[in-house]
This record gives sequence, structure tokens and C-alpha cells, in this order.
Amino acid sequence: EAGVAQSPRYKIIEKRQSVAFWCNPISGHATLYWYQQILGQGPKLLIQFQNNGVVDDSQLPKDRFSAERLKGVDSTLKIQPAKLEDSAVYLCASSPPGGGGFETQYFGPGTRLLVL
Amino acid sequence: GENVEQHPSTLSVQEGDSAVIKCTYSDSASNYFPWYKQELGKRPQLIIDIRSNVGEKKDQRIAVTLNKTAKHFSLHITETQPEDSAVYFCAASRNNDMRFGAGTRLTVKP
Repeated sequence: EAGVAQSPRYKIIEKRQSVAFWCNPISGHATLYWYQQILGQGPKLLIQFQNNGVVDDSQLPKDRFSAERLKGVDSTLKIQPAKLEDSAVYLCASSPPGGGGFETQYFGPGTRLLVL
Repeated sequence: GENVEQHPSTLSVQEGDSAVIKCTYSDSASNYFPWYKQELGKRPQLIIDIRSNVGEKKDQRIAVTLNKTAKHFSLHITETQPEDSAVYFCAASRNNDMRFGAGTRLTVKP
């Protein structure tokens, strides 16, 4: 079974530029999560999708961050404009339908973002 | 919202010794408590978890204990091996929210 795929793996941009990350969850997984992990800290849940609907985005900085999962499969996370403090690893995770949620989430390899 | 505190931030033990990492949480409604191991540059991997209706769970050399009254839970690793060296994160969740601790860097010296 293929795992969660993310791209790009690395991205370097200058502050005030825009950037987008892509996530392809495990086939059939209904729930998709985006986390931000700043160096030396634990992951922070940014947004959770159930199919193509947002379940929770209470920790997403909506002034500059946006995410979508239009067809309920792939998802993109965008930052516009980026700030220095956005430098982090952005982790995507997915979990299968039928309950379980966080208990059955699988993480992708992450996208490492550096904002200069 | 939920707040998770994790201690210690770094822990160094000799191979074969035990390691204990402790976490406290603030939201009494949290009902799921996983522990993740993250090696350098890799994704977090679930190593053990516990639900709020259980006080203790064990899986080979790893165990987790939960004290709901005091709102704290701990990870215990016995007979540590060099390959246990990594950063360990605790987390607490309820409904659609999960909060992680800041992590403990465990070093097992051969």
C-alpha cells in the first residue's frame, strides 16, 4: 500500500513570496490533516478535512494560509505572503473512514520550507 | 484549548537502563493520548497510545500510564537500546483537535 505522498520535499523562498504544498493521501482515506512542525517543537494541527469539507481549521492563520481539498482526494496548502516564522516542516497525514481519526493517521514525509 | 506540557526536554541514559517521559494536559475532556517517535528528518511514527478508559498499556519494552485525575500520562521504555535514540512526542486529543507536547530528545549511550 502506497503511503501519503507530499511534494515538493524542500522549498526555499524569500519572505513575502507565495508557496504551495501538495498532498496525496493514502487511497480511500477520507480524513486529511495538515500540520506545521517548527524546528524543535511538536507538530501543530492546522486544518482537518473530512472528504472535501473542513472539519476544523481553528489553528490555521487564515490571513495568510489557505487549504483546499476540492475533490476530496488531493489537497493543497498555500501560504501567501510567507513570513520568516513560517519556516517549518509541513506534514500531511490521512486516516481511513469508519472512525479512528487520529488513532489511525499516517504521516507523509513532509515538505521542509525555508523562508529567507 | 488544550495545553500539553512535556518533560524532560532532553534525556540521556545508558543502554539497558529505563527511560521515563512525562506529559501533563489541561483539558479534562481529552480522551486519546498517543506517543510518537520521530527520528531526525523523518516523519512521526506512532509507537503506543492509550484511551481515557484505560490506566495502563504495554507493548514489549514500551508502556504508557495515564492518571486522569491528575491529568498526566507517561511513557516508559525499558532495556533501552541505541536505536531508541530519537525525539519522542506526546499528544492529547478530543473530538477533532490534537495537541502535541514540545518533545523529548532521548539519547541512549552504548
